[in-house]
Amino acid sequence: EDQVTQSPEALRLQEGESSSLNCSYTVSGLRGLFWYRQDPGKGPEFLFTLYSAGEEKEKERLKATLTKKESFLHITAPKPEDSATYLCAVPPPGHYGGSQGNLIFGKGTKLSVKP
Amino acid sequence: NAGVTQTPKFQVLKTGQSMTLQCAQDMNHNSMYWYRQDPGMGLRLIYYSASEGTTDKGEVPNGYNVSRLNKREFSLRLESAAPSQTSVYFCASSVRSNQPQHFGDGTRLSIL
Repeated sequence: EDQVTQSPEALRLQEGESSSLNCSYTVSGLRGLFWYRQDPGKGPEFLFTLYSAGEEKEKERLKATLTKKESFLHITAPKPEDSATYLCAVPPPGHYGGSQGNLIFGKGTKLSVKP
Repeated sequence: NAGVTQTPKFQVLKTGQSMTLQCAQDMNHNSMYWYRQDPGMGLRLIYYSASEGTTDKGEVPNGYNVSRLNKREFSLRLESAAPSQTSVYFCASSVRSNQPQHFGDGTRLSIL
């Protein structure tokens, strides 16, 4: 069964303490991996798309990387405002476009950054 | 920048009542989606519409119906609400299938 697994479930960091979040997937024929940020009481906010192994994307203190089996979201010198739940998602295998429009989401990593 | 707008934001229903959740997007996106989010379960797809005039079942469609009213609007209907449908419901849209999805801020629904 295709699956997206995120670890750890929760991560507590001190301000400035860098770390990484993991997203592993078993979907065959990956056609993109998406990272989202979700704040309490809000909908997920799109961060990055990665399409091929070796690809990297950066935004402020966040850098996403992709291998053939997993993706990492590296957080460098985090600040309290980086506290949120981070979700990753992949499209299921099947026909590109057409009726295969949904995403398979991981359960997320809840990040807390203390000042 | 409205993006994806969901109404209402909160709702309490009694078991057996019916209700329609509304969603509208102003980004000229072709594809629209309805998810539910429950603690420990993550986001699960209820229904989606790859393009205007089409709808398809997702992972958890039982107890729900949808209508793609036009390109902008995609509604979710609970015909006879059950306590198991207590959840946060999110609507999302994307340019086309398998592209990044943009989410609304959700409808928090409690069924007593």
